[in-house]
Amino acid sequence: IAGITQAPTSQILAAGRRMTLRCTQDMRHNAMYWYRQDLGLGLRLIHYSNTAGTTGKGEVPDGYSVSRANTDDFPLTLASAVPSQTSVYFCASSDSSRGEQFFGPGTRLTVL
Amino acid sequence: SQQGEEDPQALSIQEGENATMNCSYKTSINNLQWYRQNSGRGLVHLILIRSNEREKHSGRLRVTLDTSKKSSSLLITASRAADTASYFCATSSGAGSYQLTFGKGTKLSVIP
Repeated sequence: IAGITQAPTSQILAAGRRMTLRCTQDMRHNAMYWYRQDLGLGLRLIHYSNTAGTTGKGEVPDGYSVSRANTDDFPLTLASAVPSQTSVYFCASSDSSRGEQFFGPGTRLTVL
Repeated sequence: SQQGEEDPQALSIQEGENATMNCSYKTSINNLQWYRQNSGRGLVHLILIRSNEREKHSGRLRVTLDTSKKSSSLLITASRAADTASYFCATSSGAGSYQLTFGKGTKLSVIP
């Protein structure tokens, strides 16, 4: 089934631990994105990648890193998790010629 | 910082009524998009309107764009209980930029 998958669905993590959220798309979209969604704040862009091999910082990049080794995968890593990173994380992709973004189902992360 | 601001924050209507949501933004845009999010799910793209367009329709959805006022509206006609969701506007700015900046959303409740 075409679309975006994210893993895990949810995770409880101790502060200070390292965590990688996985995102895979099979639509051959060139651009991919990571957002976090917090109550009352809407979606905020963490990092993006316009094409494989390139990445860029969004609005709230601190504490997060990404890589884009190939077209399909765009993992998000929290090197040392802190409680303020408790959020729902969404991965998205787009074909730059069309504009609209397609979203994954989200990962609910709790950092204690 | 948020580019789009939706108004109202919450809206409750009876099934069959029309629902209107508004979005204001701050800087010039290439396009403006509306997304829908059911509780606990990822966002789903509804409609995209380009900066040189003034109105667009898709089924029961009608979107208008007034670039002089930096505002857009989303009208859902003949609402259904299944339309209950949060609705977000998102703007794309800058040539070659694929990034979107989202507003905080309008929570729509359609009462059967």
